[in-house]
Amino acid sequence: NAGVTQTPKFRVLKTGQSMTLLCAQDMNHEYMYWYRQDPGMGLRLIHYSVGEGTTAKGEVPDGYNVSRLKKQNFLLGLESAAPSQTSVYFCASTGHPTEQSNQPQHFGDGTRLSIL
Amino acid sequence: GQQVMQIPQYQHVQEGEDFTTYCNSSTTLSNIQWYKQRPGGHPVFLIQLVKSGEVKKQKRLTFQFGEAKKNSSLHITATQTTDVGTYFCAGYSSASKIIFGSGTRLSIRP
Repeated sequence: NAGVTQTPKFRVLKTGQSMTLLCAQDMNHEYMYWYRQDPGMGLRLIHYSVGEGTTAKGEVPDGYNVSRLKKQNFLLGLESAAPSQTSVYFCASTGHPTEQSNQPQHFGDGTRLSIL
Repeated sequence: GQQVMQIPQYQHVQEGEDFTTYCNSSTTLSNIQWYKQRPGGHPVFLIQLVKSGEVKKQKRLTFQFGEAKKNSSLHITATQTTDVGTYFCAGYSSASKIIFGSGTRLSIRP
């Protein structure tokens, strides 16, 4: 009963390096989200996906790319890491909304990323 | 663009005192959700409000959704040390577009 699994949990990068964060969910959810969390700024939406093969930009998409090749996986890529991207990254998934309401978001444990 | 403001940013209370956090959106929301994040943890869903003027209770927690569906509040009666954490509101303006408030961090003096 894993829910939402994020890998890795911690990573330190040098400026200019690239990396991919992986999010996997086993709840057959349609919607998946990537957020970053910085002190005092809450959760800011980077990119999201409403289904396999689809992605869309959130509030703060610059410097990030995403892919949703399989329904259960949502990848977040940093092509050229910058110190401003030091943050805690959370992935979340949720079921398809009904006409009246949305479904709860289920979050992973987060990835703590430091860029030197 | 849509903004969701949450106040206060921090609240430090004596155990047993009440606590309230407020959420205000710049646009009308289709529904609003509330989450709690313990220190070092991830956000966990608490509740969703859908209807104008809706009030829901979970034990000592009372959630309200404004008549205009642009504001919401979470009130905790007689706080306990287990209530420590950051409380976030999250507003939906459409089926997929969600904006989180900046959160209110609650700390408690035993």
